[in-house]
Amino acid sequence: GAGVSQSPSNKVTEKGKDVELRCDPISGHTALYWYRQSLGQGLEFLIYFQGNSAPDKSGLPSDRFSAERTGGSVSTLTIQRTQQEDSAVYLCASSFWAGGKAKNIQYFGAGTRLSVL
Amino acid sequence: AQSVAQPEDQVNVAEGNPLTVKCTYSVSGNPYLFWYVQYPNRGLQFLLKYITGDNLVKGSYGFEAEFNKSQTSFHLKKPSALVSDSALYFCAVSPWGGYNKLIFGAGTRLAVHP
Repeated sequence: GAGVSQSPSNKVTEKGKDVELRCDPISGHTALYWYRQSLGQGLEFLIYFQGNSAPDKSGLPSDRFSAERTGGSVSTLTIQRTQQEDSAVYLCASSFWAGGKAKNIQYFGAGTRLSVL
Repeated sequence: AQSVAQPEDQVNVAEGNPLTVKCTYSVSGNPYLFWYVQYPNRGLQFLLKYITGDNLVKGSYGFEAEFNKSQTSFHLKKPSALVSDSALYFCAVSPWGGYNKLIFGAGTRLAVHP
């Protein structure tokens, strides 16, 4: 597609339920990132995938959070046993990762607004 | 620790006047610096970046930013503000040559008044 696509755009769930958020990156982009935007914490990095390398999971806030990227394209962020503090906008970005002095610009989707009641 | 500071929560400017949104950073090594803009209910849109070379970087929508290594700053500027520039602006740094996660500032809300 023309840009990074995220679905759903809004998700309302009850505390304790599991949710899955989907990201479809720009075609041909090799790197994919998840960030979380919340009022109290600003924009936080969650996880980063680059090609076939092991993902950088250093930003995941707890073991309730996980993500996978299938076939080097679509990614799913899963939050298990959701808590109210998980309420935030979850943003996905992708970039074309090239060697040398790469112009690594991350292009963002519109985000998924998650509300945990 | 790597960090980015945007000291102003909000900047108010009259239309037609120049605007500056401030950003300072703290990283080891040579940083890759970025500015993004966010309109309501939208994702972040890339404005401009500094990697190396000329300290004055020009970007989208007439914005520019000046990299100052001695002051570790990367302020966003525009000579003449438009009402349509009103949005949330984020400064970000990638300390790892642009190949990894971005560290964002807290954001500055720009309000341009007619």
